[in-house]
Amino acid sequence: QSVLTQPPSVSGAPGQRVTISCTGSSSNIGAGYDVHWYQQLPGTAPKLLIYDNTNRPSGVPDRFSGSKSGTSASLAISGLQAEDEADYYCQSYDNSLSGLFGGGTKLTV
Amino acid sequence: EVQLVQSGAEVKKPGESLKISCKASGYIFTTYWIAWVRQMPGKGLEWMGIIYPADSDTRYSPSFQGQVTISADKSISTASLQWSSLKASDTAMYYCARGRRTTVVTDFDPWGQGTLVTVSS
Repeated sequence: QSVLTQPPSVSGAPGQRVTISCTGSSSNIGAGYDVHWYQQLPGTAPKLLIYDNTNRPSGVPDRFSGSKSGTSASLAISGLQAEDEADYYCQSYDNSLSGLFGGGTKLTV
Repeated sequence: EVQLVQSGAEVKKPGESLKISCKASGYIFTTYWIAWVRQMPGKGLEWMGIIYPADSDTRYSPSFQGQVTISADKSISTASLQWSSLKASDTAMYYCARGRRTTVVTDFDPWGQGTLVTVSS
């Protein structure tokens, strides 16, 4: 079981908005470590989607947005498209500076 | 273009040793941390450990400490992950990923294409 908790699955119709939560604790997200999000399309390597809680790398559509509050973070995807169907992972650190991934969320469009 | 190219798929027997590699190009290899991430079949991502190629400072996740060895060879801009005695439970896809920042606390971009390791008798 992952230290960062994500819902196993979420779904939405094309055009709708979905959010994916990532819940940690006072020793990781709550300790001030940034949260990053990755998208993993079927059969491919993960790709950075959001870094430092809210920032999008160049090339990532503004339909993707991130937020962080307290011991949790969220990824929002608006205007859902079929190509968004993928697994999404949050990532942060804990006070021992060990990296952490959430368990992953499968998005079905 | 920053790129990480991993070595090819491996099929091994339990008890055998293995070293897989991740060759970096397009940037100064010694400047950024490189992490290794495991993905077991049908499962999520697991952070195994991270290395700073400039001085080989290496940090391991407690779950992987003593189970694998992470190393880097500056002369060929390559990071490696090795096992001395494989188990069937080591069957997984292994990814290397470069830190986007130059600090140990970082996100990762880009990622290698992955190396599939299959351990079976």
